Amino acid sequence: NAGVTQTPKFRVLKTGQSMTLLCAQDMNHEYMYWYRQDPGMGLRLIHYSVGEGTTAKGEVPDGYNVSRLKKQNFLLGLESAAPSQTSVYFCASSYQADSNQPQHFGDGTRLSIL
Amino acid sequence: GQNIDQPTEMTATEGAIVQINCTYQTSGFNGLFWYQQHAGEAPTFLSYNVLDGLEEKGRFSSFLSRSKGYSYLLLKELQMKDSASYLCAVMDSNYQLIWGAGTKLIIKP
Repeated sequence: NAGVTQTPKFRVLKTGQSMTLLCAQDMNHEYMYWYRQDPGMGLRLIHYSVGEGTTAKGEVPDGYNVSRLKKQNFLLGLESAAPSQTSVYFCASSYQADSNQPQHFGDGTRLSIL
Repeated sequence: GQNIDQPTEMTATEGAIVQINCTYQTSGFNGLFWYQQHAGEAPTFLSYNVLDGLEEKGRFSSFLSRSKGYSYLLLKELQMKDSASYLCAVMDSNYQLIWGAGTKLIIKP
């Protein structure tokens, strides 16, 4: 039972480089989310999706783009990486967005921008 | 603005009881979640409260008072494996989770 799988687990980039983080879930969840987690701060929502083909901005969307071409996949792109984007990135999914449906998280991607 | 407050760190003894508090101010309320996160790992769901009162789940219980904007997570019979961060999150009126910074719980033998 894989749940939510993120690739890669670690990555080091140079400023200005681009990359894509992949999230895949096998629970047939409609909703998917990308968060970043920084020391001393709560998880912050970057972008989210309420279904295949749809995406929406979260709290901190600048510098990131996303796509949800297939229900099971949610991609997070950094077009031109900046040191401020050094963080741990978590993908999550849920059956619905409302009330008691918990979000299920992947193991995270640790990204360093030099 | 929206705000979730939790203590940064707490220390407790193996076998004891610890209470982790969470206070919140959010635009709307559609429930409060507690998650556990071991160092270097993903957050995992522990509990959910939407009505006032206590929800018990084994060694863990969670309490909510909506009028006070307050919740706590109670951990009984502490074990070394309970050493982790505990995250409080509130679902706001847009059904988005607003997260606290987490409470790092250190268990000593």
